[in-house]
Amino acid sequence: ETGVTQSPTHLIKTRGQQVTLRCSSQSGHNTVSWYQQALGQGPQFIFQYYREEENGRGNFPPRFSGLQFPNYSSELNVNALELDDSALYLCASSWTVNTEAFFGQGTRLTVV
Amino acid sequence: QQQVKQSPQSLIVQKGGISIINCAYENTAFDYFPWYQQFPGKGPALLIAIRPDVSEKKEGRFTISFNKSAKQFSLHIMDSQPGDSATYFCAASSPGGGSYIPTFGRGTSLIVHP
Repeated sequence: ETGVTQSPTHLIKTRGQQVTLRCSSQSGHNTVSWYQQALGQGPQFIFQYYREEENGRGNFPPRFSGLQFPNYSSELNVNALELDDSALYLCASSWTVNTEAFFGQGTRLTVV
Repeated sequence: QQQVKQSPQSLIVQKGGISIINCAYENTAFDYFPWYQQFPGKGPALLIAIRPDVSEKKEGRFTISFNKSAKQFSLHIMDSQPGDSATYFCAASSPGGGSYIPTFGRGTSLIVHP
């Protein structure tokens, strides 16, 4: 059984650019959630996908968007990057929407 | 509005001592309270969790104490070890409401000196 894997591990982008982060969910899990963790803060919920449909969204602007694929892997897309988007982006997968989530190691995004 | 308040922000303990981290929540709909441990460069990992129908849960050296009337819960790490040095997050969720989406505290950086 493989855990949650994210790619890339580190990324540097310029303000105004677009970025795509990827997540492979744990085997058997059909739900993926994305979180933003700023330095020295707890993770903040961005959105959740269940069986390819968005199943909840936190207080993030529309330039944060996502996808979930038939194999339940997922992407997080951020357009028009701002300096404040610099953070650790965490993906978590769970067996279904109301069960415990398991986190990947995260993608460290730096916007310069 | 911070729905889960965590203190202290940082904690230094000697090896063998007791580490105590406190959290308070506001939303009475929360019915699941996990604690996560995060090492540098890693994602958070579930450490221990409690539901409000019990006042205490113990797993090895880790104990959660829960006070439903005060809307507070705490993590106690007994016989703290240098390997326990990490950031700890309390969280709260209401999976019974449909989705497991924990609201996290701001974290406590624990350093255990040998």
